[in-house]
Amino acid sequence: QVQLQESGPGLVKPSQTLSLTCTVSGGSISSGAYYWSWIRQHPGKGLEWIGYIYFSGSTYYNPSLKTRVTISRDTSKNQISLKLSSVTAADTAVYYCARENYGDYSDWFDPWGQGTQVTVSS
Amino acid sequence: SSELTQDPAVSVALGQTVRITCQGDSLRTYYASWYQQKPGQAPVVVIYGKNNRPSGIPDRFSGSSSGNTASLTITGAQAEDEADYYCNSRDNSGDHLVFGGGTKLTVL
Repeated sequence: QVQLQESGPGLVKPSQTLSLTCTVSGGSISSGAYYWSWIRQHPGKGLEWIGYIYFSGSTYYNPSLKTRVTISRDTSKNQISLKLSSVTAADTAVYYCARENYGDYSDWFDPWGQGTQVTVSS
Repeated sequence: SSELTQDPAVSVALGQTVRITCQGDSLRTYYASWYQQKPGQAPVVVIYGKNNRPSGIPDRFSGSSSGNTASLTITGAQAEDEADYYCNSRDNSGDHLVFGGGTKLTVL
């Protein structure tokens, strides 16, 4: 059973870079059957897709965040990473990593990590 | 603004049937997936594809689609179904994913 666990600083100063890691257990991120995504949720708000990385290393990002986001992978550690630069208070959110499954004209996120709260504040 | 539109709130009497909808142009091409999120918890997928339920999801949850609208139906809503529900699919470009704004379901 695949499990995902996010980790990283819970507090980031404005203008700095937010860095999070998602450790995957029970399955390999090198599998071609999945994408590996980051999703965030602002306080009291809905879900926002940040981007994903494919087993080949290809990445796709939310156009609204594209200039500040980098998603990468470390296959030796079976980890996915998120970097978000030049953060502001608007980046305060719970950040989730999730495995994205895909099929005929269908994508779905399962499983999800438990999420990690990141607050941007001086 | 979201490219998938959901009603912010819906209510249903205990044991009755409720439909939660999601509208967007991309739904003419892609199926929606649906997620249930309870306070303080990560979302859980309840429906994906044409009408697929992951193991462990009760069969009172079902999905359908027509034109630009996807629907999640709960037949015989239970108190434990009270939660936020989000739809998700690819956008019109096919390269990106997008979520609806979410629907808060209250079971009366």
